[in-house]
Parts: sequence; C-alpha cells; structure tokens
Amino acid sequence: QVQLVQSGAEVKQPGASVKVACKSSGYTFTTYGISWVRQAPGQGLEWMGWISGNNGHRDFAQNFRGRVTMTTDTSTGTAYMELRSLRSDDTAVYYCARDCSSTFCYGDYWGQGTLVTVSS
Amino acid sequence: ETVLTQSPGSLSLSPGERATLSCRASQSVSSRYLAWYQQKPGQAPRLLIYGASSRATGIPDRFSGSGSGTDFTLTISRLEPEDSAVYYCQQYGNSPGTFGQGTKVEIK
Repeated sequence: QVQLVQSGAEVKQPGASVKVACKSSGYTFTTYGISWVRQAPGQGLEWMGWISGNNGHRDFAQNFRGRVTMTTDTSTGTAYMELRSLRSDDTAVYYCARDCSSTFCYGDYWGQGTLVTVSS
Repeated sequence: ETVLTQSPGSLSLSPGERATLSCRASQSVSSRYLAWYQQKPGQAPRLLIYGASSRATGIPDRFSGSGSGTDFTLTISRLEPEDSAVYYCQQYGNSPGTFGQGTKVEIK
C-alpha cells in the first residue's frame, strides 16, 4: 500500500534551517511528484510547492521562493524540503503528499506530518 | 495568485441532513482543476474530490462535487457523525496552488 513516512519533530532557533524528509513506499516514486503543505497551529492549509519525482521540475508559492529547497533522492524514493532563515511564524506541521508527475495537482496520499517549532 | 474563499465558515447540522459547502475563486480555475479535502483533528488531510467532481478512491457516494469557472460546491448528501471535520478546497489550475480557508462541519 502507498505510504509516505516523514521524519520526526524538530525544534529550531530563529534564523536556523530545517530539513524534513518524506520517504515513500508502495508505488514507483518517479511516476509521481511530491507536494509540500504546511499548517500553523489552529490555522488552515498553506501550499508551499511541488517537485516532480521524474525530472526534478519544481513550482513554489511566492511566499517561499528563495527560502525553500525541494529535492528528491530517486534511489531511496525520498523527498526533502529544506526551509531556511526560520522565523517564529514558520512554526507549523509540515506535510508531504503524493502529487502528479508533470505538474502539481492534488495530493492523494499524505504523510503523517512533521511538527517544526521555531523558538529561542 | 488565485484566492479561494469558502463559505460558510462553519455549520452545524444533524445526522441525515444535507451539507452544502461553497468555494469561490478570485479568477477562473482552468479545466475544473479543483479538489476537496477532509481534515479531522490531529490527522493529515484526506482527498475527497478531484477534477471538481471525481470522487477519490474509497470515498462514499454521499460526497459529491460540482461547479466550474469560479464557483464550486461540495455536497454531503446524508451527514453521518464521522463527517464532523474541516473541509478545504484547493485549486491546481493556476500557479501557485492555493487552498481555501476551510469550512468546519459539526454534527449535532
């Protein structure tokens, strides 16, 4: 069965970086993409961006361009999202989701979420 | 970017009643590229509808989606207690992808 398993919770200081991993199983990684969505405490969903599992093409929300890096390791079927220059308002649960391969679409399977807390 | 506005913000209905949730886009969503998700507390979102009206795998037929252009609707025809959740729409027709702010459905 399709599964996305994310890395564990992180606590970071303001100005630091965080890298979240999303390991896939149960499907051919290169025939889909991965999108990243975050949710601040008590708030709604925020689309961050998408990366193709096939050719590395990416698309990002304007809010995150220049501060986020999305990569994939096709040998292990793992996607990574690194967010730099963390601020307190980056405190959120970060989700990965299986998405379309050639462009972003919808997430049909989701990881369990990774809580990132930014605090001094 | 395409702003999605969901209404109402919340609604409280009894089991067996019909729920109608609205999602309005600030510009036309090309090719009806709109999805709906259900999220329960402490859980990841669950895909319900994609392509405005196609049900995802395993989704009961009491969930249905409709609409095009800038106006979309999620209908839950016969509410059950387990439908208590927050529902989000997401458009993927225009870059960047965006979500609505959510509608909270409470079952009395």
